[in-house]
Amino acid sequence: ILNVEQSPQSLHVQEGDSTNFTCSFPSSNFYALHWYRWETAKSPEALFVMTLNGDEKKKGRISATLNTKEGYSYLYIKGSQPEDSATYLCAFFQGGKLIFGQGTELSVKP
Amino acid sequence: EPEVTQTPSHQVTQMGQEVILRCVPISNHLYFYWYRQILGQKVEFLVSFYNNEISEKSEIFDDQFSVERPDGSNFTLKIRSTKLEDSAMYFCASRRMDGGRTDTQYFGPGTRLTVL
Repeated sequence: ILNVEQSPQSLHVQEGDSTNFTCSFPSSNFYALHWYRWETAKSPEALFVMTLNGDEKKKGRISATLNTKEGYSYLYIKGSQPEDSATYLCAFFQGGKLIFGQGTELSVKP
Repeated sequence: EPEVTQTPSHQVTQMGQEVILRCVPISNHLYFYWYRQILGQKVEFLVSFYNNEISEKSEIFDDQFSVERPDGSNFTLKIRSTKLEDSAMYFCASRRMDGGRTDTQYFGPGTRLTVL
């Protein structure tokens, strides 16, 4: 059974701190890794679709890297703000469907 | 910006009742999905739908579940006889289908189904 794991499960940081979290996935038969940001009562928002080993993508203060050989991706947030508080989900693309990790819940205190 | 919409936002039903969850995907998208998240668990794939037929379904998607695109805009998930364990947040998603693995799947805000 294909397993996608995220760590940590939750993270509490102060405003201005930089933070990062990890998504681990199977390194064989890799097609793509998706990152989403999900705030309660809202639609999960697509952040990145990562496909190539060594990929690095950036959106404002958020960036992500990909290592397909060892099966992990990091998401970084520079200078966290309270509005960054959300659950960050990664999802492994397989055969057209997404297989999700359990998410990292980020809380940023002012 | 186009978005996926879902109705209702919250549905409460009695065990054994039928429910229909509705979704309006983004208009030029061709591939549609249902996922669900049971409280405290991972988001899990239920079914994908393309060209008016099911492309793939998970083990969860048994005979109690069905999907339909009754017109050019709506995409529905029907649960024929709900069980307590069907209580979950149900997400609809859609994608364009021109980039394959690089296509973003756009998600709706979900319908929280509570089975009593």
